[in-house]
Amino acid sequence: SQQGEEDPQALSIQEGENATMNCSYKTSINNLQWYRQNSGRGLVHLILIRSNEREKHSGRLRVTLDTSKKSSSLLITASRAADTASYFCATAPLSNFGNEKLTFGTGTRLTIIP
Amino acid sequence: DTAVSQTPKYLVTQMGNDKSIKCEQNLGHDTMYWYKQDSKKFLKIMFSYNNKELIINETVPNRFSPKSPDKAHLNLHINSLELGDSAVYFCASSHSTGRYEQYFGPGTRLTVT
Repeated sequence: SQQGEEDPQALSIQEGENATMNCSYKTSINNLQWYRQNSGRGLVHLILIRSNEREKHSGRLRVTLDTSKKSSSLLITASRAADTASYFCATAPLSNFGNEKLTFGTGTRLTIIP
Repeated sequence: DTAVSQTPKYLVTQMGNDKSIKCEQNLGHDTMYWYKQDSKKFLKIMFSYNNKELIINETVPNRFSPKSPDKAHLNLHINSLELGDSAVYFCASSHSTGRYEQYFGPGTRLTVT
C-alpha cells in the first residue's frame, strides 16, 4: 500500500471557495512535502513541513501536520482557476544514511469551477 | 534559465528499440533522480545519483541504465523497449539527500507501440 494516500481522490469547488485535501502516511517521517502538478507538466514544490512543526503558511496555502495521527492537510484559501491541478504529498524518512528518498502519495485532483 | 530540463519531451517508438532521455539541471544541486509516473499518476522513484554516484536503485528491470557524466547531468537509457514502459519519466534534482525539496523537469512522455 502507499506510504502517502491523499483524500479525496478528486475535488471540485467553485472559484473563491477554500479547498482542503488530506494526506495519511504510515511510518515516522523527517518531513512532509506538498507538490502541485499541472496537466502535462512536472511537479512543483509548494511547501515543506518538518516533523516538529504543526502548521505552516505560504501565501494562500496552509499546511498542518499531526504526527500522532500520521496525517497532514493542505488548505488552499480563496481558490482560483489557476489552482486546478493535481496535488501530491510526499514523505521523507527519518533515516540519515544518505540514501533517503521521497515517497509520493496517490494525489488529489482539484478542479476549480469558474 | 530553466532549472531542470529534459529532452525529448515526447518519444514514440516501437517495441524492441533502444532509446535515451537526457536531463540537465543548472541549480547547483548534487543529487538527481529519475521517476516514472504511470497512467494513474502514481509517481515512483527509479534511480538517484549523488555526486555522480548511484545511491538509489529501485527494483527496475536492468534494461534501464542511468548514467551521470557529471553532477549536472543524468541520462536514462532504455534497451529493448516494452509496451509496459509507456509512461511519463521525470528527472528531478535536490540539494544533498532525498529529504529536501525536489525540483522536477517537465517530463518525457514515452509511448511504446
